[in-house]
Amino acid sequence: EAQVTQNPRYLITVTGKKLTVTCSQNMNHEYMSWYRQDPGLGLRQIYYSMNVEVTDKGDVPEGYKVSRKEKRNFPLILESPSPNQTSLYFCASRAKTVVNTEAFFGQGTRLTVV
Amino acid sequence: GIQVEQSPPDLILQEGANSTLRCNFSDSVNNLQWFHQNPWGQLINLFYIPSGTKQNGRLSATTVATERYSLLYISSSQTTDSGVYFCAVEGETDSWGKFQFGAGTQVVVTP
Repeated sequence: EAQVTQNPRYLITVTGKKLTVTCSQNMNHEYMSWYRQDPGLGLRQIYYSMNVEVTDKGDVPEGYKVSRKEKRNFPLILESPSPNQTSLYFCASRAKTVVNTEAFFGQGTRLTVV
Repeated sequence: GIQVEQSPPDLILQEGANSTLRCNFSDSVNNLQWFHQNPWGQLINLFYIPSGTKQNGRLSATTVATERYSLLYISSSQTTDSGVYFCAVEGETDSWGKFQFGAGTQVVVTP
């Protein structure tokens, strides 16, 4: 089954304690990206990747890092989390084709930083 | 960047009623998708519909790309249809997987 898998689904952590949210897709997609969803602000892109070792900032990259060492994985790293990073996070992937194809989203990770 | 507007922002329906949700976008798009966010926060992909019409059970969608809008139809609504419906687009100038989401339509279906 085609899917994007995020882990963990729920996480409560303390300010300053480094954490990683993993994202893995099984569709051999080139494009992957991370979004955060906040009340009143909607979903906003954090980082995206067009392929292995190619990443770039989205609209709200401050406080986040990403890496793309393998095609299937695109982890989101918070080196020093702060309470304003409390949010619902989504990972997405899409194939790079001449005719654009649909994007697949993970189940979401609800992060609380206290 | 591309602007996405959804209407109405809120919708209260009685079970069995039909409804139409609208998504307007400000520029040409390569991709348009409709999502349903359930009460647990999961984004469920309803339609990939950059143009044309599709149907899936009680739901259907139409996108008129030349006029820059898309419609999502819910027929014979059920309580399980409650949640937030999002329209998301990839603009032609942002074709590398960057979605711009609308603010959503909050739907409540009452028994």
